Amino acid sequence: NAGVTQTPKFRILKIGQSMTLQCTQDMNHNYMYWYRQDPGMGLKLIYYSVGAGITDKGEVPNGYNVSRSTTEDFPLRLELAAPSQTSVYFCASSYQGGETQYFGPGTRLLVL
Amino acid sequence: AQKVTQAQTEISVVEKEDVTLDCVYETRDTTYYLFWYKQPPSGELVFLIRRNSFDEQNEISGRYSWNFQKSTSSFNFTITASQVVDSAVYFCALSEAPQGGSEKLVFGKGTKLTVNP
Repeated sequence: NAGVTQTPKFRILKIGQSMTLQCTQDMNHNYMYWYRQDPGMGLKLIYYSVGAGITDKGEVPNGYNVSRSTTEDFPLRLELAAPSQTSVYFCASSYQGGETQYFGPGTRLLVL
Repeated sequence: AQKVTQAQTEISVVEKEDVTLDCVYETRDTTYYLFWYKQPPSGELVFLIRRNSFDEQNEISGRYSWNFQKSTSSFNFTITASQVVDSAVYFCALSEAPQGGSEKLVFGKGTKLTVNP
């Protein structure tokens, strides 16, 4: 059982570059989420999706975009990378809201 | 607004000691869910428990136990006879019941537990 997978595991970006963080789940979950974790802090929600074609902003959406064309995939796009986006990014999924969220292994991003 | 407070930033114990991690939450909803996650040094987030607001029974799972008290808005986590493998950052989180698209898990800042041999 793969669960939630994320790629890449680690990436270094230069300021102004763009990239897409990939997230895939194989549990047929309806809900998917993107969080960022800054050092010494808890996780903060960036975007979430309640099903294919439906996305909504979380607490810290600025500088990011998402899409959800399939149930399985929920990519996160950074258009113009900034040092403030240096963080660890976690993707998660759950069957529905309020249910247990299962997390991927994370992507460590460094913007220089 | 939802809020989760984990006042203990870091705790250090010696192996076999019992340790309690505190979690206090704020919510205006009557229906909500509380969670604990473990983040070991390897970085992944491991689900430990989910509890709904209508179930105040304490829960025990091996060396882990949870004490949920609505009267004090607390959901504390106790590890009995701690082991070195329990060393991790532990997060408490709160989710309000689904109501038309406002789903989110609000996390506390975490408590770093170090268990020394």
